[in-house]
Amino acid sequence: QVQLHQWGAGLLKPSETLSLTCAVYGGSFSAYYWSWVRQPPGKGLEWIGEINHTGGTHYNPSLKSRVTMSIDTSKNQFFLNLASVTAADTAVYFCARGPTRNRVFDYWAQGALVTVSS
Amino acid sequence: QSVLTQPPSVSGAPGQRVTVSCTGSSSNIGAGYEVNWYQQLPGAAPKLLIYANDNRPSGLPDRFSASTSGTSASLVITGLQAEDEANYYCQSYDGSLGVSLFGGGTKVAVL
Repeated sequence: QVQLHQWGAGLLKPSETLSLTCAVYGGSFSAYYWSWVRQPPGKGLEWIGEINHTGGTHYNPSLKSRVTMSIDTSKNQFFLNLASVTAADTAVYFCARGPTRNRVFDYWAQGALVTVSS
Repeated sequence: QSVLTQPPSVSGAPGQRVTVSCTGSSSNIGAGYEVNWYQQLPGAAPKLLIYANDNRPSGLPDRFSASTSGTSASLVITGLQAEDEANYYCQSYDGSLGVSLFGGGTKVAVL
């Protein structure tokens, strides 16, 4: 059974850098892409980007200038950094497995609310 | 406004059938990219409901079905139950934008 668990700072000031970690338990870590998705309060889902086990990344163009994703295959963990945050970055952030074949996100972590406020 | 357009809400009485639509374009659904559907209960992470247009993961009830046609997709819930009250999102890939896309979500209410 695949499980994802995420953590990171929940309250940031404008201009700071958001940093989140996602740990994967079970399954084959190296066989998949791993993604971050966010959801502003009361709104829909937005894909942030994906990373594979070799560190290859693909980011949403709308966030590309501020996003950095990295991976540590020795610990089955991957990471999100989002620089220069503003109130518009306030959201629940999810890590997920995928996109897999058929471009599915099939396993998700519980999500973490990150609030940006001065 | 999302590139994949969903109605904000649909509702039905227990036992009824409801349909959630997802309208895209020639660069995503119309280009043949697969459509996946997720159910999100309040305060929870999205849960995969349908993958590759019309396939259910093992263990999911067959009350949920989906289809695609042209630039649109539809999720159908038959025999609506109280526990089906949730937000439902379609998801695909856009070849022009180079991104995985989610619809804006549809709140399904059980009357």
